[in-house]
Amino acid sequence: DTAVSQTPKYLVTQMGNDKSIKCEQNLGHDTMYWYKQDSKKFLKIMFSYNNKELIINETVPNRFSPKSPDKAHLNLHINSLELGDSAVYFCASSPERGGRETQYFGPGTRLLVL
Amino acid sequence: GQNIDQPTEMTATEGAIVQINCTYQTSGFNGLFWYQQHAGEAPTFLSYNVLDGLEEKGRFSSFLSRSKGYSYLLLKELQMKDSASYLCAVRDRGNFNKFYFGSGTKLNVKP
Repeated sequence: DTAVSQTPKYLVTQMGNDKSIKCEQNLGHDTMYWYKQDSKKFLKIMFSYNNKELIINETVPNRFSPKSPDKAHLNLHINSLELGDSAVYFCASSPERGGRETQYFGPGTRLLVL
Repeated sequence: GQNIDQPTEMTATEGAIVQINCTYQTSGFNGLFWYQQHAGEAPTFLSYNVLDGLEEKGRFSSFLSRSKGYSYLLLKELQMKDSASYLCAVRDRGNFNKFYFGSGTKLNVKP
C-alpha cells in the first residue's frame, strides 16, 4: 500500500500553461505539505495544511494555489508556468504537531517547463 | 532567518565509518531530523534528536549539541546501498509544522 502518493510522476509542459499536481495520503495524518526541491537539492517548504486549513504559506508566487478538499488530499495548481518552476515537487504528511513523529514524503513530481 | 549547513559531498569506502556534519543557526529549535534520499526518490526518515546527546539506531547514530548548533550523522559498516544524499532538517519552535532543510550531503560509497 502506498502511504503518500502523487500524480503525475513526470510533467513536461510549455511556459504559460496551467497544471495541477495531486497528492493523497492513506496514513490518517492531519497535516500535509508541499515542498519544492530545486536542482541544488534544497528542499523548501511551500505550503502546509492541517485538517484542510492552511497553516503555512511561505513566500510563494500567487501563481501557486494549494487546495485541500479533505484531510487526506492536498493538490497544487500552478498558473502561467515559468521556466524557474522546473523542479521536483514533493508532497508530505505528518501525524501530529511536535514530537518525534516525522514527515512521510510522496515519490515526487518532476516538473519540466520548456 | 534560518541557516543550515552541510558538506556538499563526501566519499568513503565500503565497511568504513563516516560522519556527516550539520550546523544550524535558527531563530527557534524544536528538534533535528536526518533523512536519507536516494537519487530520484523521496527522502525517508532516519533519526530524530531534540535533547543533547547520541541516539543510536543500528548502523546509524545521530548526535546533537544544541548549545553549539551542531549535529552529526554517523554511519558504520558502510554498504554500497548507503550511497545517497543525507539531509539535515530543523523543526521550528514557533510552528511545529515548519521544517528547514539543508541542501544535503551526497555520500559516495566505493568498493
